[in-house]
Amino acid sequence: AQKITQTQPGMFVQEKEAVTLDCTYDTSDQSYGLFWYKQPSSGEMIFLIYQGSYDEQNATEGRYSLNFQKARKSANLVISASQLGDSAMYFCAMRERDAGGTSYGKLTFGQGTILTVHP
Amino acid sequence: DSGVTQTPKHLITATGQRVTLRCSPRSGDLSVYWYQQSLDQGLQFLIQYYNGEERAKGNILERFSAQQFPDLHSELNLSSLELGDSALYFCASSASAQETQYFGPGTRLLVL
Repeated sequence: AQKITQTQPGMFVQEKEAVTLDCTYDTSDQSYGLFWYKQPSSGEMIFLIYQGSYDEQNATEGRYSLNFQKARKSANLVISASQLGDSAMYFCAMRERDAGGTSYGKLTFGQGTILTVHP
Repeated sequence: DSGVTQTPKHLITATGQRVTLRCSPRSGDLSVYWYQQSLDQGLQFLIQYYNGEERAKGNILERFSAQQFPDLHSELNLSSLELGDSALYFCASSASAQETQYFGPGTRLLVL
């Protein structure tokens, strides 16, 4: 089974509109972390936002917010007021502990969603 | 700029050859991670070092090896290269396994 599923290969949004990128995850661990990274066409990976499994509030970072629904195992990224510079590939990733309960920090990534912002 | 540096940015080589990719983590970060991004496999974790010691291994081929030096920089060695090794190789660093990982700009490897 996929650990991280991003079901939207591509998304389009009008400039200044909000957009939600979906991410569902699969883990039996109780202590895990969820991340979103942005990869522009230049190739670098840019950290956007983090949500811990025990965090009660949804994470926010500027125009980015994470809609965390633990029971549904979803961690959707919401980008408000989209800008042309938001056009990029977006990856959802999870950090979980191994079977022995040790966190080594390795990230498991989804396949990504390509976001295109139209003027 | 994440503070993680990787060299070289691009590398073109032939099958059967050996290359070394270098990574300098952010100042103060003890953990270094290597990831491979390819079209067919996506982004995959290869290996992690913490303060000079190997901590975790992922889908890393036996032809690949890595190390972290006392000054905390890391090198990923790829040998007996095959066409399928062509990919973008990222290094990431974090203060610890529980902290956010910041990625370097990547090394784009093309094996001809």
